[in-house]
Amino acid sequence: DADVTQTPRNRITKTGKRIMLECSQTKGHDRMYWYRQDPGLGLQLIYYSFDVKDINKGEISDGYSVSRQAQAKFSLSLESAIPNQTALYFCATSEGQVWDEQFFGPGTRLTVL
Amino acid sequence: GESVGLHLPTLSVQEGDNSIINCAYSNSASDYFIWYKQESGKGPQFIIDIRSNMDKRQGQRVTVLLNKTVKHLSLQIAATQPGDSAVYFCAEINAGGTSYGKLTFGQGTILTVHP
Repeated sequence: DADVTQTPRNRITKTGKRIMLECSQTKGHDRMYWYRQDPGLGLQLIYYSFDVKDINKGEISDGYSVSRQAQAKFSLSLESAIPNQTALYFCATSEGQVWDEQFFGPGTRLTVL
Repeated sequence: GESVGLHLPTLSVQEGDNSIINCAYSNSASDYFIWYKQESGKGPQFIIDIRSNMDKRQGQRVTVLLNKTVKHLSLQIAATQPGDSAVYFCAEINAGGTSYGKLTFGQGTILTVHP
């Protein structure tokens, strides 16, 4: 969805490096999410944020941290990348109900050597 | 624990045929069930959802059926087109009485439509 953008789209890095993935949205949504997808599998939730002051851990938060700089921006960091963090990373946004459609960005393909 | 799984990892159909993609779930407390389509190189795209108190919902060329007795969810695509080729994920939402519905994804089914 063009309203949710992610940078970079592809990144190759080495073990131990710090990496930041960025997500921006123009949908005006309060809620933002970071997911990880491994080959052939569904998405797993890393972190989610209800607003700029509310950040919550998801299923697989170990090794990751996030920053909600503004309503429109939500960044994911890998402080010290390791090879098993090689995956596709998706950012998503939604409004504020229990279930609202989540709009996904195009994804970032991260490879850790 | 909670799980959402798929019976068939791949499905090949001819253009114009109807497609049925199946999903089994184990959490009877889920509030909503959702189908997503993911094309190569893109993020998942919402197709249709169904609330847990419904058994059928129709959209444009798609129908979702929910059978709570056997904990089974299916996505039917009518007159399948080559553009329908993608990976299809089922997912479930369980709010657990909170304001946040945790989205749990299944493994995915690869649908290939042959011209």
